[in-house]
Amino acid sequence: EIVLTQSPGTLSLSPGERATLSCRASQSVSSSYLAWYQQKPGQAPRLLIYGASSRATGIPDRFSGSGSGTDFTLTISRLEPEDFAVYYCQQYGSSPAFGQGTKVEIK
Amino acid sequence: EVQLVESGGGLVQPGRSLRLSCAASGFTFDDYAMHWVRQAPGKGLEWVSGISWNSGSIGYADSVKGRFTISRDNAKNSLYLQMNSLRAEDTALYYCAKDMGALRALSPFDYWGQGTLVTVSS
Repeated sequence: EIVLTQSPGTLSLSPGERATLSCRASQSVSSSYLAWYQQKPGQAPRLLIYGASSRATGIPDRFSGSGSGTDFTLTISRLEPEDFAVYYCQQYGSSPAFGQGTKVEIK
Repeated sequence: EVQLVESGGGLVQPGRSLRLSCAASGFTFDDYAMHWVRQAPGKGLEWVSGISWNSGSIGYADSVKGRFTISRDNAKNSLYLQMNSLRAEDTALYYCAKDMGALRALSPFDYWGQGTLVTVSS
């Protein structure tokens, strides 16, 4: 079973700043089966990134993903007011699993 | 437009059963795998179970194995989760999610419903 650990738990930033979120896996994630989701209060999660670096349909290009093996990163180049939310990484191998989440809050 | 609408949640006593349903529309249901994901109040996401397009491959989280059963009816564009021997720790918002692929693994979840709340309490 692959365990995903996200850091930091909370990221306090201002609009316009760059956000860098980390997701570390307990063992290598095959073929970059790694996704990122955004969840706002009272809403369902939304797929942002899959295959570690491919943006989902309709996702702005300020969101980017990178990494391979056990270390993955979600970067938001310039935070917009609507980007303050909780972000989850997910590996979607044989037994999917999510990280515990990183909250991006307004500083 | 893809729509996933969950139903069947509610308050149930420990040890009892509940059956969740998810009605799908806006896509060819029998082309895709489907999943249930839950979120306890104030907590993160937990994958519960997944089923391939033809029900040929099914998987469960260890926390629900032997108690929950996932199924689908492609003729009715519907996904189900039969939950038996419910425990307090099963209390959560249960989401139905569409897989990007036909198998129950190797693809992310591209559409989610709004969830149905299950509360297990005496």
